[in-house]
Amino acid sequence: GAVVSQHPSWVICKSGTSVKIECRSLDFQATTMFWYRQFPKQSLMLMATSNEGSKATYEQGVEKDKFLINHASLTLSTLTVTSAHPEDSSFYICSARDGVARSYNEQFFGPGTRLTVL
Amino acid sequence: KQEVTQIPAALSVPEGENLVLNCSFTDSAIYNLQWFRQDPGKGLTSLLLIQSSQREQTSGRLNASLDKSSGRSTLYIAASQPGDSATYLCAVPNSGNTPLVFGKGTRLSVIA
Repeated sequence: GAVVSQHPSWVICKSGTSVKIECRSLDFQATTMFWYRQFPKQSLMLMATSNEGSKATYEQGVEKDKFLINHASLTLSTLTVTSAHPEDSSFYICSARDGVARSYNEQFFGPGTRLTVL
Repeated sequence: KQEVTQIPAALSVPEGENLVLNCSFTDSAIYNLQWFRQDPGKGLTSLLLIQSSQREQTSGRLNASLDKSSGRSTLYIAASQPGDSATYLCAVPNSGNTPLVFGKGTRLSVIA
């Protein structure tokens, strides 16, 4: 159990276009999802915290109008990179927390989405 | 603000050796601690989770210990294999509902 999927696994787009990344919890209800970004040879850095049914909380330095997050259901959160630029090229990883069935709040990670902006 | 440090940054060992990876954190008021494995270009695989009330967790050849008061955790890998080659990340949340703060990882190479 506790599987998190991401789609797409990789995407290449032109500068100025928008890209949507989906994060799904397949077998549990994710009351909270987190979005991280990882640049080459760097560790994961938190971008935003997404709670089902409410607005996302963004980390300092992350533009909320550029990285749109929607968490409309207990199993799906989406991250939309608007007007993407080459510097947005990165590995985006989501994690989901099962706040209903599990008492110890372990976070489960998706396989990541590699975004390349040309 | 929580900071997580991992030492060493990189490690190369011959196959069969036992090894220890270190993780330290600045704020000891953690909820739990997780060790992950990341292969190049891939996502994270959770290896072990230690609750704040626990001292250690074991899974196969892996053993993770936690000393919350001193802000340290170690990941012990017994009888290393080439397939263990990966980056190992340590991460902590400050409470149950907060995101994880990650260390920069230890890049392990096990040479056959």
